[in-house]
Amino acid sequence: DAGVTQSPTHLIKTRGQQVTLRCSPKSGHDTVSWYQQALGQGPQFIFQYYEEEERQRGNFPDRFSGHQFPNYSSELNVNALLLGDSALYLCASSLLFSLGQPNEKLFFGSGTQLSVL
Amino acid sequence: QKEVEQDPGPLSVPEGAIVSLNCTYSNSAFQYFMWYRQYSRKGPELLMYTYSSGNKEDGRFTAQVDKSSKYISLFIRDSQPSDSATYLCAMKRGAGQNFVFGPGTRLSVLP
Repeated sequence: DAGVTQSPTHLIKTRGQQVTLRCSPKSGHDTVSWYQQALGQGPQFIFQYYEEEERQRGNFPDRFSGHQFPNYSSELNVNALLLGDSALYLCASSLLFSLGQPNEKLFFGSGTQLSVL
Repeated sequence: QKEVEQDPGPLSVPEGAIVSLNCTYSNSAFQYFMWYRQYSRKGPELLMYTYSSGNKEDGRFTAQVDKSSKYISLFIRDSQPSDSATYLCAMKRGAGQNFVFGPGTRLSVLP
């Protein structure tokens, strides 16, 4: 059973550039959430996708955008990169409902380490 | 005041010790609680999931939730060097809401 996979594992960009990160959810999961984790901090919620639509969004600017595809995989796009965007970007998948009940367990990928120079 | 607080550590214990990790929170509406373990430069790994108050045990791990005190704990029995990692607590208000994470406690178990 494949877990959550993310690509690439590492990325180096310069200020002002744009980046796209990719995520494939755990088999059987339909919901993808993205988190940003700065060094020494806990993950901060960016947004969540379900049925190809953004369901919730955290306190992140519009430079952060995403997409979910029919196969449930997802992309995170960040435009006009700033030095402060350097962080570990984590994708988490879940099954929104299981047997008619909300399923609250989040499973994370290994993340993409983004460095902005 | 942050919504979820954890002592960042580092917490160093000898192998075999019982470890107690704690989180406090300010939002009384939180109902779902999870503990994650995160090794350096890796994604968080789900350890324990608890709904509402009470205790839950899984192997060497026990999770406790005290909603009246807005306090949750994770106990690790017979700690091993492989338990050395950062432990994150996470919680949320209701179904379909996003989880709020604590900053994590770094644990070091010395052989």
